[in-house]
Amino acid sequence: EAQVTQNPRYLITVTGKKLTVTCSQNMNHEYMSWYRQDPGLGLRQIYYSMNVEVTDKGDVPEGYKVSRKEKRNFPLILESPSPNQTSLYFCASSLSGQGWNYGYTFGSGTRLTVV
Amino acid sequence: AQTVTQSQPEMSVQEAETVTLSCTYDTSESDYYLFWYKQPPSRQMILVIRQEAYKQQNATENRFSVNFQKAAKSFSLKISDSQLGDAAMYFCAYRSGQGRGSTLGRLYFGRGTQLTVWP
Repeated sequence: EAQVTQNPRYLITVTGKKLTVTCSQNMNHEYMSWYRQDPGLGLRQIYYSMNVEVTDKGDVPEGYKVSRKEKRNFPLILESPSPNQTSLYFCASSLSGQGWNYGYTFGSGTRLTVV
Repeated sequence: AQTVTQSQPEMSVQEAETVTLSCTYDTSESDYYLFWYKQPPSRQMILVIRQEAYKQQNATENRFSVNFQKAAKSFSLKISDSQLGDAAMYFCAYRSGQGRGSTLGRLYFGRGTQLTVWP
């Protein structure tokens, strides 16, 4: 089944404790992206990647890191989480070029709480 | 950056009735794509319908259809014969077909419309 697998679905952590949210897709998509969703704000892009070893910032990159060492994986790293990073996070992937019109395939989301 | 506006934070509809969700966007581009996503309580993001800007014909997917007004930059979603399972948050999204740099490939989302369906 074509899908984006995101883990964990729920995570509660303490301020300052490094964490990683994993994301993997099996569709050979070039483009991958991370979004955070907050009430009343919709979805905002954190980072994106056009292909292996090519990543760049979105609208809200502060406090986050990403890497793209393999085409299928795009982990989101919070080096020192803070309470304002409490949010719902989505990983998404897409074909590029002629595939732009197909939109994104989303992971199931990660509900992160930082206390 | 492109702006997508959903002016209705909440909407409600009676089961079997029709409801229309509004979306407007701001762009100077001629080549782009528009999408409606549904997010039920399970929080999964589900693609409902999509529209290419160069196509004049409005997209339709079963009970879901759009009214795409390119000149007015409007992209509303009509849900016919509403069902209880249609209750969800609905997001309108825009994607450039000719973006550069950080805009290339990015989906810009509105803030969402929460749809309630009454039995």
